[in-house]
Amino acid sequence: DQQVKQNSPSLSVQEGRISILNCDYTNSMFDYFLWYKKYPAEGPTFLISISSIKDKNEDGRFTVFLNKSAKHLSLHIVPSQPGDSAVYFCAASARGGGSYIPTFGRGTSLIVHP
Amino acid sequence: DTGVSQNPRHKITKRGQNVTFRCDPISEHNRLYWYRQTLGQGPEFLTYFQNEAQLEKSRLLSDRFSAERPKGSFSTLEIQRTEQGDSAMYLCASSPPGTSGSREQYFGPGTRLTVT
Repeated sequence: DQQVKQNSPSLSVQEGRISILNCDYTNSMFDYFLWYKKYPAEGPTFLISISSIKDKNEDGRFTVFLNKSAKHLSLHIVPSQPGDSAVYFCAASARGGGSYIPTFGRGTSLIVHP
Repeated sequence: DTGVSQNPRHKITKRGQNVTFRCDPISEHNRLYWYRQTLGQGPEFLTYFQNEAQLEKSRLLSDRFSAERPKGSFSTLEIQRTEQGDSAMYLCASSPPGTSGSREQYFGPGTRLTVT
């Protein structure tokens, strides 16, 4: 039972255009959402996050949007750069016991073409 | 750079052998997590330590798996009697103390285990 779903295994975008990566979740207890980026042979690195009390968080070229009613979030990258080519994981966590253990999606592989 | 380090980076072992992996978290981080990642999947939670106490274990963690974090610093993950299904990337992550603010974790590069 996947509680965090990334239904697009891959996405190809032209340099300079917008990349939109989507994520859906089913557990209404999730109150914090994160995006991680992973390059080959490296561990995931934190990119951006959003609390459930917000619907948008922006950090430079990266913006995460949260639609709680639809249980959907998206990561926008504008403009996309070839160095953004990586696997992007959506993760969600629920407050409970202080562990904040996230549940990860399967990832979306983004390829940005020059 | 004092990020999360993991050793070894790669391990090839024969089925039935025991293996042990080590994780050194960022020094001021009191929370430490172990994950397993297989091809086409996201990281799957295995176990969580706060300081030296192992507070949560996933049902994925069979009896053949054991983890320790003596003195609340580095951690080890041991797999006994390895099986081919144990082949995966084992990731360690740490995070700082505190209940507010961001919940991001800092991941190490992982240990890739291949069981032949």
